[in-house]
Amino acid sequence: GAGVSQSPSNKVTEKGKDVELRCDPISGHTALYWYRQSLGQGLEFLIYFQGNSAPDKSGLPSDRFSAERTGGSVSTLTIQRTQQEDSAVYLCASSRQGGELFFGEGSRLTVL
Amino acid sequence: SQQGEEDPQALSIQEGENATMNCSYKTSINNLQWYRQNSGRGLVHLILIRSNEREKHSGRLRVTLDTSKKSSSLLITASRAADTASYFCATSKTGANNLFFGTGTRLTVIP
Repeated sequence: GAGVSQSPSNKVTEKGKDVELRCDPISGHTALYWYRQSLGQGLEFLIYFQGNSAPDKSGLPSDRFSAERTGGSVSTLTIQRTQQEDSAVYLCASSRQGGELFFGEGSRLTVL
Repeated sequence: SQQGEEDPQALSIQEGENATMNCSYKTSINNLQWYRQNSGRGLVHLILIRSNEREKHSGRLRVTLDTSKKSSSLLITASRAADTASYFCATSKTGANNLFFGTGTRLTVIP
């Protein structure tokens, strides 16, 4: 498609389970971002990929969170042993280096 | 920690009035961007202003940047009910390309 695609759009899981969230960026965009947004709050930076450079993981809140970007395209954000405080909307965005970000519609995660 | 902070947190105005939102940030930046978010899902880019620019216009939007005060403002003129949304500023630190977002201003335009 022409835009950033995220899946699933909604995910309900039980505390302690692992979840994977997927992001398909716009073709040709070298930069990919993951953010987390709790209800009514701002965007919390999680991780940033730029081309073949080492990702900036400085925003990941704990070692339960990890992300990878395969072949410079699709990215997967993995949350292990989910906790209730992980409930949020996870937003992915892509861009050309230094340019405007194009966001997906997000994946809403609910941990029961 | 977040790079930007918006002010006010919430703003309610009548249709046709102008809306002004402010953003303050902490470090030297490459550029500052404003985004709009409806219904808590994806954000849409509005405008980008570079650190060597002081003012930029796009339609009914006017953005200013004061690097000495580390602040920016977004002015929406002749507001419409459809402008109701949350507005975020985002900054790219000097020497880096990742973007940090502020806390947002929730704008309500009353028809």
